[in-house]
Amino acid sequence: NAGVTQTPKFQVLKTGQSMTLQCAQDMNHNSMYWYRQDPGMGLRLIYYSASEGTTDKGEVPNGYNVSRLNKREFSLRLESAAPSQTSVYFCASSEVGGRRNTEAFFGQGTRLTVV
Amino acid sequence: GNSVTQMEGPVTLSEEAFLTINCTYTATGYPSLFWYVQYPGEGLQLLLKATKADDKGSNKGFEATYRKETTSFHLEKGSVQVSDSAVYFCALGNYGGATNKLIFGTGTLLAVQP
Repeated sequence: NAGVTQTPKFQVLKTGQSMTLQCAQDMNHNSMYWYRQDPGMGLRLIYYSASEGTTDKGEVPNGYNVSRLNKREFSLRLESAAPSQTSVYFCASSEVGGRRNTEAFFGQGTRLTVV
Repeated sequence: GNSVTQMEGPVTLSEEAFLTINCTYTATGYPSLFWYVQYPGEGLQLLLKATKADDKGSNKGFEATYRKETTSFHLEKGSVQVSDSAVYFCALGNYGGATNKLIFGTGTLLAVQP
């Protein structure tokens, strides 16, 4: 059981380049999330998807787009990378279904550096 | 809005010492509270959780009690081990409809020395 799988694990981009971070979960969860982790700031929510076909902005959505391709996959795209987007990106999934205490399962992260 | 405040680290302890990491929150309603742990080079994994006032979450010798009167969820362990060295995140579950978005504290690095 792989859980949440993210690719790639590491990436270096030049300013202005674009890329897509991939995320897939095999737990049949409806909800998926993208967070970024920066030193001294914890994790902040970029975008989330409550179910296949729906996406919503989180706390820090500027400069990003997302696609919920199907129930398993939720990708994050940087159209024109900026140094401020240097961060570690985490994908997560959860199954809420009316229960407030359900945990989120996290991938291992993508360390992105924009130079 | 909802927020989580966590004590800053790093926290450096000797093996078998007592650990407390403070966490307080601001929230409307009755959020769920979580502690996540991040080991070096890995993603976050749930350590423990609590869903209502006076609930105590526990796992692997760690404990935290949901205190509504002090809006706190402090993490404790009676005797830490070197293998407990990690970053610990306190989080608040911002439940809304079909999602449970998490609001995280800034994280506390724990280093346990033999």
